Amino acid sequence: DAKTTQPPSMDCAEGRAANLPCNHSTISGNEYVYWYRQIHSQGPQYIIHGLKNNETNEMASLIITEDRKSSTLILPHATLRDTAVYYCIVRASSNTGKLIFGQGTTLQVKP
Amino acid sequence: GAGVSQSPSNKVTEKGKDVELRCDPISGHTALYWYRQSLGQGLEFLIYFQGNSAPDKSGLPSDRFSAERTGGSVSTLTIQRTQQEDSAVYLCASSPRFRSDTQYFGPGTRLTVL
Repeated sequence: DAKTTQPPSMDCAEGRAANLPCNHSTISGNEYVYWYRQIHSQGPQYIIHGLKNNETNEMASLIITEDRKSSTLILPHATLRDTAVYYCIVRASSNTGKLIFGQGTTLQVKP
Repeated sequence: GAGVSQSPSNKVTEKGKDVELRCDPISGHTALYWYRQSLGQGLEFLIYFQGNSAPDKSGLPSDRFSAERTGGSVSTLTIQRTQQEDSAVYLCASSPRFRSDTQYFGPGTRLTVL
């Protein structure tokens, strides 16, 4: 299974962009990169996913390097409600739907 | 629309007792997943169901854990002879297809084994 590496914690000023990095150097060619977040005492929430191209939705943007060995989740204008643990996940294998969660990055948005 | 619901939201039990945790997935979702999250830890996959296929039980930590899904909808996770190390938040998720689709999580059941 491809594994991911994320910094354990990051701070961001409210209103500024939050850039959360993730390394996944062993990712296979047909595996997607998913980002979820977990706000305190809630279940995880899907944010975005991508394969090769950069992706954007109403929550965030996902930038994937050309070699696919790393990616960055961008929250363009972080708010206090974006304080959460952010998980970068690679699909475990092509034959299973389970997600392997690492320790994630705790993002603290500060006023 | 309604999201994934779980019941009870909190469960306190004594060591050695059996417990049942319930998950109601989003209507029409064919895949259902169980995870657990111990205090200060990440999420640990337990089991998943996809349609009528045999479930993937590879994440169940011991034979005290079992799960079933009736009629392709509601699922029950059963823990027999609970131990203190079973204390955790048990999370259920569903998705309309497995592989590339996203998983929608419920609020979880907090289990405390005394």
